[in-house]
Amino acid sequence: DSGVTQTPKHLITATGQRVTLRCSPRSGDLSVYWYQQSLDQGLQFLIQYYNGEERAKGNILERFSAQQFPDLHSELNLSSLELGDSALYFCASSARMRTGSYNEQFFGPGTRLTVL
Amino acid sequence: GENAEQHPSTLSVQEGDSAVIKCTYSDSASNYFPWYKQELGKRPQLIIDIRSNVGEKKDQRIAVTLNKTAKHFSLHITETQPEDSAVYFCAASSSNYQLIWGAGTKLIIKP
Repeated sequence: DSGVTQTPKHLITATGQRVTLRCSPRSGDLSVYWYQQSLDQGLQFLIQYYNGEERAKGNILERFSAQQFPDLHSELNLSSLELGDSALYFCASSARMRTGSYNEQFFGPGTRLTVL
Repeated sequence: GENAEQHPSTLSVQEGDSAVIKCTYSDSASNYFPWYKQELGKRPQLIIDIRSNVGEKKDQRIAVTLNKTAKHFSLHITETQPEDSAVYFCAASSSNYQLIWGAGTKLIIKP
């Protein structure tokens, strides 16, 4: 157990709908990352938050948005869902880092999204 | 843009033999290089990492070597075992606080 929790574990919805995925980082971690992993594919970095502020953006679609709340949990909102959005969505967290320094990312168990 | 290329995409080795996976990165400012292992249906987990001030790091059967001049680093697994079967991802740090990930290598250990 990495200490990162994600809910729900599975989500099945229809095209055009909107869903929210939730992530709670490890206690004390200020950074949260979101990744998308389609079937048998690599990890696509979506977005990173650090202490409530957006820090880095990857290949995140305009239909997707995220935020990190004062208690440091994060939510990823996916709207106008398409079949191609079906994937495993991982959240990861890492400890506070000095500028230019990197630490291990701890991954949550993921949310499997199926769009029908 | 920044990228990390990982080779091979699939590697099949006999149990007990060694496996080597290579990763080439593009950003000369990268200074942190982790390797993650993802077993089927599970989350990625860090198995070893190396920083730019070190050329090699070892942890039991796994090791990572870094060649900053050539901008590549490699994962070495010796005496492979069935539980080593997984997908392995390399990553390199970028200047904007994220990791640039390789596409993954599927390692198959043949009994």
